[in-house]
Amino acid sequence: DAKTTQPPSMDCAEGRAANLPCNHSTISGNEYVYWYRQIHSQGPQYIIHGLKNNETNEMASLIITEDRKSSTLILPHATLRDTAVYYCIVRVGGTSYGKLTFGQGTILTVHP
Amino acid sequence: DAGVTQSPTHLIKTRGQQVTLRCSPKSGHDTVSWYQQALGQGPQFIFQYYEEEERQRGNFPDRFSGHQFPNYSSELNVNALLLGDSALYLCASSLLIGPPTGLVSGELFFGEGSRLTVL
Repeated sequence: DAKTTQPPSMDCAEGRAANLPCNHSTISGNEYVYWYRQIHSQGPQYIIHGLKNNETNEMASLIITEDRKSSTLILPHATLRDTAVYYCIVRVGGTSYGKLTFGQGTILTVHP
Repeated sequence: DAGVTQSPTHLIKTRGQQVTLRCSPKSGHDTVSWYQQALGQGPQFIFQYYEEEERQRGNFPDRFSGHQFPNYSSELNVNALLLGDSALYLCASSLLIGPPTGLVSGELFFGEGSRLTVL
């Protein structure tokens, strides 16, 4: 699985958009970008994933650059409950079973 | 619809002892993975079970073993506990589609974890 690079921490004001970047310059053509988050003392929670097109769901939007070497997770209106560690993970969509390789993630702190 | 449930939530053991952690997957899911999360670190993959067999394993010693039952629930066993085994142990379930290629749905559902402290 390709390695990802994320900033260790970010801050965001409540109600503003939180844009979390992820670099995955060695991504292969069959690898997907997944985002999970982990709120303190809870298990990780799936947010969104994509291959090459931008994706949006009720939680967030995922913007993947055309060369697929980086992506941005967007929380459109951050709330205090969005304070968590956000993990960007790249893995093959078909053959890796359930294995996810977590890095250090980005600690997002949403301020009032 | 119950999500992934794990038990116990907290437990304390001493070095050399053995521990068994349990996991019930989300309804409809047939695949269970286990992760170890040390304090301040991201979760690390231990192994995955599908059809009652270990399908993939991370870089963990043989002291870590598991089992999956016909109802898809799973156990994680750790023998000869070390201080370094103190961690949050997470169970995740998913639905495997298209065997034997290992295709999975887009997401894993995690439980709240079992926090193990080894003294």
